[in-house]
Amino acid sequence: SAVISQKPSRDICQRGTSLTIQCQVDSQVTMMFWYRQQPGQSLTLIATANQGSEATYESGFVIDKFPISRPNLTFSTLTVSNMSPEDSSIYLCSVGRGSNYEQYFGPGTRLTVT
Amino acid sequence: TQLLEQSPQFLSIQEGENLTVYCNSSSVFSSLQWYRQEPGEGPVLLVTVVTGGEVKKLKRLTFQFGDARKDSSLHITAAQPGDTGLYLCAGAGNTGKLIFGQGTTLQVKP
Repeated sequence: SAVISQKPSRDICQRGTSLTIQCQVDSQVTMMFWYRQQPGQSLTLIATANQGSEATYESGFVIDKFPISRPNLTFSTLTVSNMSPEDSSIYLCSVGRGSNYEQYFGPGTRLTVT
Repeated sequence: TQLLEQSPQFLSIQEGENLTVYCNSSSVFSSLQWYRQEPGEGPVLLVTVVTGGEVKKLKRLTFQFGDARKDSSLHITAAQPGDTGLYLCAGAGNTGKLIFGQGTTLQVKP
């Protein structure tokens, strides 16, 4: 498994501003992912954070809106840019481990945009 | 596009009752994982099933992978209030990414 921490745990932001979410893992991992989740609903994959190269974004998500950094094998950031109320959600990072691609999740960042 | 249909989406039962959650797909997965998530926390991996027909037990929880590796079920016997949470199934291919079902919100009333 892995121990994953996220900062901040929650934030309330004004529309038009940006927020950077940090994800720290207690050991080196190759695969890191960023998800979005509405409370009580399933997870939507935003992107795969690649170390040493640009993140791979899923359909409907673009780098200008959700820039991702992955400077090393234990850390990643996700920025939510030019926020609108529609960006209010829970943002989760995860790491992939094992031959069956199990994932281990951080506690999430609850974002409210007003 | 791979999809996982999870049902039911909501389940509210009394303590001591049994329940089953289903995940179905038209696609074959190399493995199927089940997660449980409680409010304010990230999903936690419960089990991974890999082989067609595989059955795994975790105390009162029984997980089954379909013979064709396209579907899975989670059965809880004698549910307890501590079982309350959001249950997610997720299928893995060979890209490292997971395909998640829609989730099942389970409420077990004392």
